[in-house]
Amino acid sequence: GAVVSQHPSWVICKSGTSVKIECRSLDFQATTMFWYRQFPKQSLMLMATSNEGSKATYEQGVEKDKFLINHASLTLSTLTVTSAHPEDSSFYICSASDGGGAFFGQGTRLTVV
Amino acid sequence: SQKIEQNSEALNIQEGKTATLTCNYTNYSPAYLQWYRQDPGRGPVFLLLIRENEKEKRKERLKVTFDTTLKQSLFHITASQPADSATYLCALPGDSNYQLIWGAGTKLIIKP
Repeated sequence: GAVVSQHPSWVICKSGTSVKIECRSLDFQATTMFWYRQFPKQSLMLMATSNEGSKATYEQGVEKDKFLINHASLTLSTLTVTSAHPEDSSFYICSASDGGGAFFGQGTRLTVV
Repeated sequence: SQKIEQNSEALNIQEGKTATLTCNYTNYSPAYLQWYRQDPGRGPVFLLLIRENEKEKRKERLKVTFDTTLKQSLFHITASQPADSATYLCALPGDSNYQLIWGAGTKLIIKP
């Protein structure tokens, strides 16, 4: 089946620094990638949708300057959390679609100290 | 607005029994509904998709029903095993292609 690899699986960073999370589709071309955020015991919340080669579409309330998304190729999308603060600590999950279904990465646990 | 509700309380089931989880939705007429499994610290894993014209779908020990009149889906695990312990999420299609709207999930604990 289709495999989506997300890296890193966990990261701890200092407040004020930036963190980049990668999402790769290993055996298919992902025309669309989704980035989600999940707080403990809550549902996944869509942050943004990105199509290869174009700017991401952010959901209401998500700061595009803080959460930079780059979908430069059909197999790679990155989410950069800029100037991270403790309230950005969360579980971030990417999802990739080739138009035939959506497949999820294993998620990244971000802790900002 | 669209709303999905899953029982937020953990469900404790004895091994070997059938576990039944509920997903209710309002202000919505989805063309399909999906169920996912999520283990701690991991991304969701797709389990089953059921379409609006299907009453029931089965996959091994899993069974999903979809009642569009009640706006409810039931997710059953028969002959439950401790390895089935996880959080189970239901998801419905959003406005754009392959965007999903998620329930908060129900934590299932199978006791040996």
